[in-house]
Amino acid sequence: EEQLVESGGGLIQPGGSLRLSCAASGFTVSGNFMNWVRQAPGKGLEWVSVIYSGGSTYYADSVKGRFTISRDNSKNTVFLQMNSLRAEDTAVYYCARGYDYIWGNHYYLDYWGQGILVTVSS
Amino acid sequence: DIQMTQSPSSLSASVGDRVTITCRASQSISSYLNWYQQKPGKAPKFLIYAASSLQRGVPSRFSGSGSGTDFTLTISSLQPEDFATYYCQQSHSIPLTFGQGTKVEIK
Repeated sequence: EEQLVESGGGLIQPGGSLRLSCAASGFTVSGNFMNWVRQAPGKGLEWVSVIYSGGSTYYADSVKGRFTISRDNSKNTVFLQMNSLRAEDTAVYYCARGYDYIWGNHYYLDYWGQGILVTVSS
Repeated sequence: DIQMTQSPSSLSASVGDRVTITCRASQSISSYLNWYQQKPGKAPKFLIYAASSLQRGVPSRFSGSGSGTDFTLTISSLQPEDFATYYCQQSHSIPLTFGQGTKVEIK
């Protein structure tokens, strides 16, 4: 059974750093498009980043240059390193598997973790 | 970036009602449109991909249609477990973008 479990969230001061982890089971992170999606309190969903099966990475403009997505194939885990955190980064962060159902990197997010809360506040 | 706009932002409906949610893209996205359902405090649940293809296990009362810039999600007969917020999302190009959500509430 496919499952994603996030960890590493918490309270952090503005300007600080945090690393989120997403442990996968039931499939390999290296064979899928692994995404981070966040949701600020009371707000909608915002895509943050993806690492493709081939290793290419992409980011939302709001986090580019501050966040880095990576994976450890031996641990079947995806990471989101978050630096220079701001109050507006406060959100529940979800890890989600992207399944590319058609040529051209078009995919849907079929499995999601339970989410992990990141609060940026002094 | 492609902007996704849903309407309405919220609606009230009764069990058994037919409900339609609209999603509009700021440019043509062909049929690269997905739908998700989210209940309070829970992760989103994937419902429909490629505008009209139902994910395995999703009840057949859910259906999607559209192409280009205009899309709809229809629930043919609303059930108690369908009260939730629904999001559309385009997968035409990076960055992926979501609509702002449509909250379906009990009348």
